[in-house]
Amino acid sequence: GAVVSQHPSRVICKSGTSVKIECRSLDFQATTMFWYRQFPKKSLMLMATSNEGSKATYEQGVEKDKFLINHASLTLSTLTVTSAHPEDSSFYICSARGGQGESQTYNEQFFGPGTRLTVL
Amino acid sequence: RKEVEQDPGPFNVPEGATVAFNCTYSNSASQSFFWYRQDCRKEPKLLMSVYSSGNEDGRFTAQLNRASQYISLLIRDSKLSDSATYLCVVVGVAGANNLFFGTGTRLTVIP
Repeated sequence: GAVVSQHPSRVICKSGTSVKIECRSLDFQATTMFWYRQFPKKSLMLMATSNEGSKATYEQGVEKDKFLINHASLTLSTLTVTSAHPEDSSFYICSARGGQGESQTYNEQFFGPGTRLTVL
Repeated sequence: RKEVEQDPGPFNVPEGATVAFNCTYSNSASQSFFWYRQDCRKEPKLLMSVYSSGNEDGRFTAQLNRASQYISLLIRDSKLSDSATYLCVVVGVAGANNLFFGTGTRLTVIP
């Protein structure tokens, strides 16, 4: 399957700081990227969907001014957690999906390895 | 009501056993169904898609029951390496972006 990377894999920061997480599709062009959050023993929850070159679509209850998403190219999307608080501590996972012309199943999403954020 | 519901388990089974998981979904218009596997502190990885006619991949069999709105995963001859959390995933409508994840079923295969 296709490869998606995330950086950093782990970050610990102080409350009030901002943290940027990068998501890259390494061997295919991702027209759509998704950002998920997973709290311990809970299911993955979609935070936002981003299409290259356009504004992200946020799920209900997710603050767009707090979780800034940029999808500037077909291989890179970034999520910035601004003014992080301890309750933002979570496992953040991105996924990427190619266009309908790609060889993989259209609905298949390839997941990055995740970023564990701990806010002190 | 949750979009997707799974029994969280845990399921503890001996090596060689057969184990089955079910997952129910609430949206009757859902079009695509998948089983993902997630190892501890790792990202989910696609295990198999679930087709209307059912499908089998080695020791794994997935089935869809649209009338009762559930999908199932059967694992035969369990291996230690099968220990993981199995996530049921549903796509709401055709072409939709959102994957709805179940909370996952934790499986531990015991030697």
